Amino acid sequence: ETGVTQSPTHLIKTRGQQVTLRCSSQSGHNTVSWYQQALGQGPQFIFQYYREEENGRGNFPPRFSGLQFPNYSSELNVNALELDDSALYLCASSLKTSMETQYFGPGTRLLVL
Amino acid sequence: KNEVEQSPQNLTAQEGEFITINCSYSVGISALHWLQQHPGGGIVSLFMLSSGKKKHGRLIATINIQEKHSSLHITASHPRDSAVYICAVRSNDYKLSFGAGTTVTVRA
Repeated sequence: ETGVTQSPTHLIKTRGQQVTLRCSSQSGHNTVSWYQQALGQGPQFIFQYYREEENGRGNFPPRFSGLQFPNYSSELNVNALELDDSALYLCASSLKTSMETQYFGPGTRLLVL
Repeated sequence: KNEVEQSPQNLTAQEGEFITINCSYSVGISALHWLQQHPGGGIVSLFMLSSGKKKHGRLIATINIQEKHSSLHITASHPRDSAVYICAVRSNDYKLSFGAGTTVTVRA
């Protein structure tokens, strides 16, 4: 148990719909990173939030957006879903130092039909 | 070409065997992580390395910064070690780049 929780655990959507995934950080952690993991591949960095501001972004289109709240919980929003968005979405929390270990949540498995 | 390459992609061992997983990377890094992912998705951080060697129980991780290479060793492997092992490198303050993972199966 890492203390990081995600909801929902599983989700099925259709193309064109919008989805919101949620992540609660480990207590005391002010940084949340989101990753997309397609089947059989390693995770890909989507973006990171630090103290409610986006702190860095990977190679994902603008329809992937996020929020971080004052309690450091976070949301990942994906608009205009595409079939290729089907993946496991992982969040990880940490304290913002460059050498800090990230603690991963169990993930949300999204299927887009 | 991926910034992080792992080998082998798949590995099957008999219980008790010594297992080695390799990770090579092509960028400058501040730290390297070894992660374990069980079926269902949960990821656990095993090690974070910036130099040398670390040991935790039956797991040993080494890194050679000059050669841009790291290895994860499992001694006296056990079926409960069966999982996907992922190497990830931190190249700046916010981004982790991941390898594709090595699927380890340990048979009793």
